[in-house]
Amino acid sequence: AQSVAQPEDQVNVAEGNPLTVKCTYSVSGNPYLFWYVQYPNRGLQFLLKYITGDNLVKGSYGFEAEFNKSQTSFHLKKPSALVSDSALYFCAVRDIESNAGNMLTFGGGTRLMVKP
Amino acid sequence: DGGITQSPKYLFRKEGQNVTLSCEQNLNHDAMYWYRQDPGQGLRLIYYSQIVNDFQKGDIAEGYSVSREKKESFPLTVTSAQKNPTAFYLCASSIGGSGRATYEQYFGPGTRLTVT
Repeated sequence: AQSVAQPEDQVNVAEGNPLTVKCTYSVSGNPYLFWYVQYPNRGLQFLLKYITGDNLVKGSYGFEAEFNKSQTSFHLKKPSALVSDSALYFCAVRDIESNAGNMLTFGGGTRLMVKP
Repeated sequence: DGGITQSPKYLFRKEGQNVTLSCEQNLNHDAMYWYRQDPGQGLRLIYYSQIVNDFQKGDIAEGYSVSREKKESFPLTVTSAQKNPTAFYLCASSIGGSGRATYEQYFGPGTRLTVT
């Protein structure tokens, strides 16, 4: 079984400050990890993914995420937040050993609010 | 212009009526998925299809049905048996559906269904 937890329902940050959105996962094997962003009344947009290799993954719009196997975490980060980053962020995981196709399990989402 | 289209954006129905949500993709993706999103909640998988003429139940398939007669199309029918059909419905697709697929899913803009 695979699962994802996003422990914070909402994260508030001032524009220009660094931001972190937390994600922890549980899989029986090794994980593939993904971050998506959703703007109001829109579908999800892919930001970045970790498959293998470097633990620091860079993605769209200046976002990056750090894979930490010992802590089973994949936190999303950005050095300097913009008001336009305000949105709903989802972490997702897939167990490499899973035979169930390309099934992703999504976390409950974290709302990021960037104040001017 | 490649992508996933969902229509209509907003849909209103009376209780007891079946309704079909459209999802079309021109990305030449093999796999397609339907998710349901409720306010303040993450995404829950309804059905998925890894190949034409084949589909599998997800976590919350009761009250829903799908078909996959063409690679580019994966319509979802919300039947009268679905007890709480009012929700935001998201369709997604990805390149690979089986094996060690590392491919991210791409999402359509969603359909907001309201049943009264």
